[in-house]
Amino acid sequence: NAGVTQTPKFQVLKTGQSMTLQCAQDMNHNSMYWYRQDPGMGLRLIYYSASEGTTDKGEVPNGYNVSRLNKREFSLRLESAAPSQTSVYFCATYIGFNTEAFFGQGTRLTVV
Amino acid sequence: GESVGLHLPTLSVQEGDNSIINCAYSNSASDYFIWYKQESGKGPQFIIDIRSNMDKRQGQRVTVLLNKTVKHLSLQIAATQPGDSAVYFCAVSSGGYNKLIFGAGTRLAVHP
Repeated sequence: NAGVTQTPKFQVLKTGQSMTLQCAQDMNHNSMYWYRQDPGMGLRLIYYSASEGTTDKGEVPNGYNVSRLNKREFSLRLESAAPSQTSVYFCATYIGFNTEAFFGQGTRLTVV
Repeated sequence: GESVGLHLPTLSVQEGDNSIINCAYSNSASDYFIWYKQESGKGPQFIIDIRSNMDKRQGQRVTVLLNKTVKHLSLQIAATQPGDSAVYFCAVSSGGYNKLIFGAGTRLAVHP
């Protein structure tokens, strides 16, 4: 019963490098979300996918792209990392509105 | 713009005391409210939620109170235990998880 699994857990990138953060859920939920969490601030929504085959921008989408590969997997890509993207990234999923959301353990990304 | 804030960044309590964590929101159209607990190095964990048609909801050792008149939300933890030490976030939605706004969090420190 893994729930929501994120990989990697930690990553250090140089400015300009690219990488993909992976998220997989085994709960058969339709909706998946990517958030970033910065010190002293609440989680902010980057992108979300309401269902397989659809993606939409959230509050802070600039510098990111996403892919909803199938119902289980939702990846977040940084094409050219910047120091401002240093953050902790969380993937979340839930079955429908007004139901409990489940979060992954997070990916701590540092861009130098 | 829309905001969600918590009244105190840190709350220290004695083991066995009751804890009250507060949250204020700005959007009067908000209709769904969630409290999350986040332990160090982990993702947020759902505690309890409440819809705008209610003003109180109870769970195991936790109670959420909603005052829509003053746009205020509180989380009460009864008989606080060391395992309750964590950062607590409120999150407020005006329609769907893609519109969920998170507060910055209150750190609860429980002392023996």
